[in-house]
Amino acid sequence: TQLLEQSPQFLSIQEGENLTVYCNSSSVFSSLQWYRQEPGEGPVLLVTVVTGGEVKKLKRLTFQFGDARKDSSLHITAAQPGDTGLYLCAGAHGSQGNLIFGKGTKLSVKP
Amino acid sequence: SQTIHQWPATLVQPVGSPLSLECTVEGTSNPNLYWYRQAAGRGLQLLFYSVGIGQISSEVPQNLSASRPQDRQFILSSKKLLLSDSGFYLCAWSGGGGIGNQPQHFGDGTRLSIL
Repeated sequence: TQLLEQSPQFLSIQEGENLTVYCNSSSVFSSLQWYRQEPGEGPVLLVTVVTGGEVKKLKRLTFQFGDARKDSSLHITAAQPGDTGLYLCAGAHGSQGNLIFGKGTKLSVKP
Repeated sequence: SQTIHQWPATLVQPVGSPLSLECTVEGTSNPNLYWYRQAAGRGLQLLFYSVGIGQISSEVPQNLSASRPQDRQFILSSKKLLLSDSGFYLCAWSGGGGIGNQPQHFGDGTRLSIL
């Protein structure tokens, strides 16, 4: 069974701090997606990375796909309370495989 | 634009009762459709997916079944609910064609509580 390990499981920080969350696997993925989920709602796609070493920026969020395509990180600069939520990574094994989701990192940003 | 509707938002059912959750997608044709269950601290578990009308693939043996009677309609059912069926059920769609690499778009989920 291919697993995606996300760390930390929980993170509570003050507004304005920076943070990084990680998504790791022993398997190689053809692409990796990051989602954010707020309580009582479905996950919303943030970004898809497909190339080893790729870096994508979405305002204060920076996503990186590892060179070997086994891991990814999400860095948030100057976190705001609106960043609070569950961050999920999901990996795909080619066009015929289903997405495999990690358990998520629950982020709380206090004002 | 594409939208996905899932209902009901919350549901409380007794053990042994039947279940029917419905999901519809608008603004796209021939989508791939998915049912997930999300338990606290366990991430998203894929239950069923469908690449076309009447085509259902089951990922986990369980007490549930799925059907796709129309292109943009996906239904999750059970004849007799178990306590272990409690959880947050999410429907999602992605573009047609290969399943992998496609971003998935989720509904707002159904919180199912079994008493």
